[in-house]
Amino acid sequence: AQTVTQSQPEMSVQEAETVTLSCTYDTSESDYYLFWYKQPPSRQMILVIRQEAYKQQNATENRFSVNFQKAAKSFSLKISDSQLGDAAMYFCAYRSGQGAQKLVFGQGTRLTINP
Amino acid sequence: DTEVTQTPKHLVMGMTNKKSLKCEQHMGHRAMYWYKQKAKKPPELMFVYSYEKLSINESVPSRFSPECPNSSLLNLHLHALQPEDSALYLCASSQGPNPQETQYFGPGTRLLVL
Repeated sequence: AQTVTQSQPEMSVQEAETVTLSCTYDTSESDYYLFWYKQPPSRQMILVIRQEAYKQQNATENRFSVNFQKAAKSFSLKISDSQLGDAAMYFCAYRSGQGAQKLVFGQGTRLTINP
Repeated sequence: DTEVTQTPKHLVMGMTNKKSLKCEQHMGHRAMYWYKQKAKKPPELMFVYSYEKLSINESVPSRFSPECPNSSLLNLHLHALQPEDSALYLCASSQGPNPQETQYFGPGTRLLVL
């Protein structure tokens, strides 16, 4: 079974600084998808960024980018120019490309932004 | 528009009550999901509907009964729940059930079972 590990239960960063959240996963599959979701205190899970395993290029979405290292099974999220609205729980998630429809989530990293 | 709505926002029920949670999306998505999230934990999948048919049941107790009356609507019927069922219940939808489809989540229903 696939597992996702987020080794940082909590992180904090100064506003306008850059922070990197780590995620590693364990799988024997070659075809899969990786996601970062944020969950602010409002509770709604919001997609931040996604990465297809077959793509070598790292995904970027405005201030958010990933460092996808397929051989190392690592999928870290970099947030540049951190803003107060970035404060949330961040979940890394894995989805198999072989028909399983479930998202496998890591335990989450709570990110605090210090003004 | 990537909106998934859920009602009610909060629900308190006794162990003998029957209640229902509702989830709605108007994005034309054909796959819908129920997740359960305990405090300070990640979401855990409960059920998946693909094209209005139940495709996955993650060994959920029968006191939880899902229903998909049409492609836009997903219900979760609750009966004889236990206090340990108190959690945030999240609904999600995706264009289809294929792995590459992104799941979009609703704001959740916070359930408290007394």
